[in-house]
Amino acid sequence: GAVVSQHPSRVICKSGTSVKIECRSLDFQATTMFWYRQFPKKSLMLMATSNEGSKATYEQGVEKDKFLINHASLTLSTLTVTSAHPEDSSFYICSATRGVGSDEQFFGPGTRLTVL
Amino acid sequence: SQQGEEDPQALSIQEGENATMNCSYKTSINNLQWYRQNSGRGLVHLILIRSNEREKHSGRLRVTLDTSKKSSSLLITASRAADTASYFCATDKGSGNTGKLIFGQGTTLQVKP
Repeated sequence: GAVVSQHPSRVICKSGTSVKIECRSLDFQATTMFWYRQFPKKSLMLMATSNEGSKATYEQGVEKDKFLINHASLTLSTLTVTSAHPEDSSFYICSATRGVGSDEQFFGPGTRLTVL
Repeated sequence: SQQGEEDPQALSIQEGENATMNCSYKTSINNLQWYRQNSGRGLVHLILIRSNEREKHSGRLRVTLDTSKKSSSLLITASRAADTASYFCATDKGSGNTGKLIFGQGTTLQVKP
C-alpha cells in the first residue's frame, strides 16, 4: 500500500520561532501533495496544494508568507510555519496522490504543533 | 456553508448495531470519498464512489450516492468497538481534476462494547 509519513509527529515551540514539518511518500512518487490543518473536533481545512518543482497554490485566506511550502522532490514536501504564534497551534496533515488524475489521496499521520 | 456537511455530528450506539452517517454537498462532483480518523491520528481511506455509481460495498461498509439530492450515506453494519472514530466525507470540486478535496464536518461515532 501507499505510505505517507510525517515528521515530527509532535512539536512544541516558543512563540516567534519557525517550525518545519516534513511529508514523505515512502513507496511511491507523489507529484502532488496537499497540506491540511485541523482544529480540535473540527474537520480538515485545505491550506495549499504542492506540486513538485513548482510554487504551491494556496487556498483563500491562507498566508503564503506564513506557511512556506517546498516540494523539492517527488517524495518530499515541507511546510514551514514561520514566526509561529499560539494561534498557529493545530494538527497539520499532509496527503499525497500518485499522479494527475489519481483519485485517492494517502494521508500522513499528522503533526501536532503547540506554540507556547 | 461548506461543501460536505454531515449528520449526525455525533452518534453513539451499542456494539452489533448498525451506524448510518449522512453527507450532503452543494456542487457537482466527480467522486465522493469516505475517510475514517482515530483520535489524534491521520486519515484512513475507506471507500470512493464515483458520480455515476449509486451504491458501493466494502466489507461491512455500504455507501450510497444520490447525485440528484447531492447526498451520500455511509452504513457500517454489525458495528464493533474498534469502529469508534470520526468519519468524514470528502468531495472533489467537480470541474477540472485538481485533486483537491473538500471535507465535511465529520461524524463522531462511539460504539459501546
